[in-house]
Amino acid sequence: EIVMTQSPATLSVSPGERATLSCRASQSANNNLVWYQQKPGQAPRHLIYGASTRATGIPARFSGSGSGTEFTLTISSLQSEDFAVYYCQQYNNWPWTFGQGTKVEIK
Amino acid sequence: QVQLQQSGPGLVKPSQTLSLTCAISGDSVSSNSATWDWIRQSPSRGLEWLGRTYCRSKWYNDYAVSVKSRATINPDTSKNQFSLQLNSVTPEDTAVYYCARAARGIFDYWGQGTLVTVSS
Repeated sequence: EIVMTQSPATLSVSPGERATLSCRASQSANNNLVWYQQKPGQAPRHLIYGASTRATGIPARFSGSGSGTEFTLTISSLQSEDFAVYYCQQYNNWPWTFGQGTKVEIK
Repeated sequence: QVQLQQSGPGLVKPSQTLSLTCAISGDSVSSNSATWDWIRQSPSRGLEWLGRTYCRSKWYNDYAVSVKSRATINPDTSKNQFSLQLNSVTPEDTAVYYCARAARGIFDYWGQGTLVTVSS
């Protein structure tokens, strides 16, 4: 199965600053990559799919890029509601697999 | 709008069977374009996909290798829901369990989550 590795584990960012999260796949996932956001006590919510397509209702400050084995989620100007844990997931090779998450916390 | 409502006990004794149900509204468990999945989350294992059921003219099930011998996922078309049974549980099975809909591999709708604790 494809192993997804996210970095860093924790990212400390001030509100209004840019956040850049990385996700690496152990083998090519092509562009079959989803980013999820999870807040405490809630289920994950999908933000980006196809590596770069925003899901319905997701603000433009969220953007995704990459293909193959290297992917990036960028939050251009962090808002208070963006402090959460972010996960990547590949759906190129079954079984679908998740990264271990990056926690974005207030600096 | 698709909604998934989970139900089931939050405490299971070791060696017994964990049973959860996920009721679907806004879609059909018999959909030929979605799969109906179970995922769990724990501090030690992170997000772990467990298995799925789906209908493509006939019913199929897939399971993660880690639980394949212990897990059963069943659709219930009369109630438009699906269920997870995990037998011979141990404390390692303690986690928050989610049901979810997947479309083309993307988990786009999730249940509210159920914390299941395995303890005597």
